[in-house]
Amino acid sequence: GENVEQHPSTLSVQEGDSAVIKCTYSDSASNYFPWYKQELGKGPQLIIDIRSNVGEKKDQRIAVTLNKTAKHFSLHITETQPEDSAVYFCAASNPMSAGNMLTFGGGTRLMVKP
Amino acid sequence: DTAVSQTPKYLVTQMGNDKSIKCEQNLGHDTMYWYKQDSKKFLKIMFSYNNKELIINETVPNRFSPKSPDKAHLNLHINSLELGDSAVYFCASSQVLALSHYNEQFFGPGTRLTVL
Repeated sequence: GENVEQHPSTLSVQEGDSAVIKCTYSDSASNYFPWYKQELGKGPQLIIDIRSNVGEKKDQRIAVTLNKTAKHFSLHITETQPEDSAVYFCAASNPMSAGNMLTFGGGTRLMVKP
Repeated sequence: DTAVSQTPKYLVTQMGNDKSIKCEQNLGHDTMYWYKQDSKKFLKIMFSYNNKELIINETVPNRFSPKSPDKAHLNLHINSLELGDSAVYFCASSQVLALSHYNEQFFGPGTRLTVL
């Protein structure tokens, strides 16, 4: 089955700096890679995703990159703000797996210091 | 409008009791999920239902029984609660039209279960 590893587990940055979170996956058949943001006391919220037919996607201050050959993908947040502080999860999905299941990474706690 | 809702938000109970958590989605999705998030924030899939049919059961003890009365609801019933069941449980839903469809999942707000 799929295995997703995420690093770092915690990340502290100064407001205005950039933050990068990296994930690797094991199943070369995976083709969908979403990123979720979980704020304290809330459920994970989809913030951006990337599909295997593209290498990069950007939405305002967040961007994701995908390297299919190396089987890794990354989340980049620029000009971080205190409201970016949350736990971020990467995930991978192989559409041919039973139930088209999402496998999540272990999460990264991002702290943005004002 | 709430897309995926869960009740209750908090549940405190004694070991050995039986409890249920309810989930409803108004997105018209055909697939619903239950996840368990432990104290280290790790998200683990428990069950998945597609059109009221069980399609994933990830080695969850049979004390946990999901029930899907219709496509919009997936409830979780837990018998004989144990201390290790304490966690946050999330319901999610997605529209999985075909095997090749990208699985965008939408999560509920979670239910924090504490077993004393």
